[in-house]
Amino acid sequence: GQNIDQPTEMTATEGAIVQINCTYQTSGFNGLFWYQQHAGEAPTFLSYNVLDGLEEKGRFSSFLSRSKGYSYLLLKELQMKDSASYLCAVRVVTGANNLFFGTGTRLTVIP
Amino acid sequence: EAQVTQNPRYLITVTGKKLTVTCSQNMNHEYMSWYRQDPGLGLRQIYYSMNVEVTDKGDVPEGYKVSRKEKRNFPLILESPSPNQTSLYFCASFSISGATRAFFGQGTRLTVV
Repeated sequence: GQNIDQPTEMTATEGAIVQINCTYQTSGFNGLFWYQQHAGEAPTFLSYNVLDGLEEKGRFSSFLSRSKGYSYLLLKELQMKDSASYLCAVRVVTGANNLFFGTGTRLTVIP
Repeated sequence: EAQVTQNPRYLITVTGKKLTVTCSQNMNHEYMSWYRQDPGLGLRQIYYSMNVEVTDKGDVPEGYKVSRKEKRNFPLILESPSPNQTSLYFCASFSISGATRAFFGQGTRLTVV
């Protein structure tokens, strides 16, 4: 596998902004994905970065720095329904294509 | 509709009774993979396949088998299930050409007693 690190848990207040970080050490990097996962359900795609910079999609933004092996997911105007796990995943190409996941960050949004 | 279909969604079985979890995708994806998810451990890869008849071990392959006889199907086989294989399983697929996201099946919650 690859080395992908995320905080285990975070708590934030409804209406606030939260940043979830992900660091990775991989060879053959070919893109970084963020997924949202509610308990017991399948992960759902949020964002994709392959070049350095910020990708914005409504309340969600994702940033990538390839030289630092670092990404973050920014969630604005938090809603209670944003309480979920957020998975950072790295796609690599080292002979074969593959997709590796971090352990996920469980976000709890409180009133 | 583009999708990955897993069956069954829920399964309770007894130790040692062979079972197969099916996974099928309708997007002509080359890559398919199986993951298991346990509390605190994230998605751990069991096996993956880059194309028909090409499979490789992931991080936790012990006790599992896979086959890829057709591009659309990638079944996960537990020849002799044990209680430590109780878990939530996900199948995923993506196209290896271009920057495309992975699609996930609905998940299979397996309990081995």
